[in-house]
Amino acid sequence: DIQMTQSPSSLSTSLGDRVTITCQASQDISNYLNWYQQKPGKAPRLLIYDASKLEAAVPLRFSGRGSGTDFTFTISSLQPEDIATYFCQQYDNLPPTFGGGTKVEIK
Amino acid sequence: QVTLKESGPALVKPTQTLTLTCTFSGFSLSTTGMRVSWIRQPPGKALEWLARIDWDDDKFYSTSLKTRLTISKDTSKNQVVLTMTNVDPVDTATYYCARNLYGDLLAYWGQGILVTVSS
Repeated sequence: DIQMTQSPSSLSTSLGDRVTITCQASQDISNYLNWYQQKPGKAPRLLIYDASKLEAAVPLRFSGRGSGTDFTFTISSLQPEDIATYFCQQYDNLPPTFGGGTKVEIK
Repeated sequence: QVTLKESGPALVKPTQTLTLTCTFSGFSLSTTGMRVSWIRQPPGKALEWLARIDWDDDKFYSTSLKTRLTISKDTSKNQVVLTMTNVDPVDTATYYCARNLYGDLLAYWGQGILVTVSS
């Protein structure tokens, strides 16, 4: 199985700050990398697919980049509604695997 | 509008078999390209993909759980069923079903169902 290493596991920052999360795959996954947002008690929501494509209705402050084994997810200016846990997921190989998650909190 | 909803027991005893049902609307699992997956999340932990069934009845399972899982579909009822045998307290989790957009891109999720394994 492909292992996805996500960092940091948590971060505390101020509203309006730039937030960056990284995800590293244990082998080349091309651009088959998705990012999900999960708020407490809710199901995950797809934000970015194929490493950099924004899902419909997702605000433009969210972005993703990368290919191969190294990927980044960025929130350009953190808003109160962005407080959540974010997960990366690869789907290049079965089984699909997820990163450990990054919990984003307000300082 | 695509919707999915999980149903099943909230509490199961160790060694029992867990049966979960995903009832969906807004698409047909007989349509080429459609796929439904099950994913779980222990409290406070990461997501774990469990299984997938495709429109053509192909089935795929988690490497570590494949001996305990069975996935099936009832196209006429718009349902996908997941069974997990010999459950243990470590199987306590919220279980989600999700529809793939393409590949294993999980675009539509159910609300999830919390299943506790305890005697």
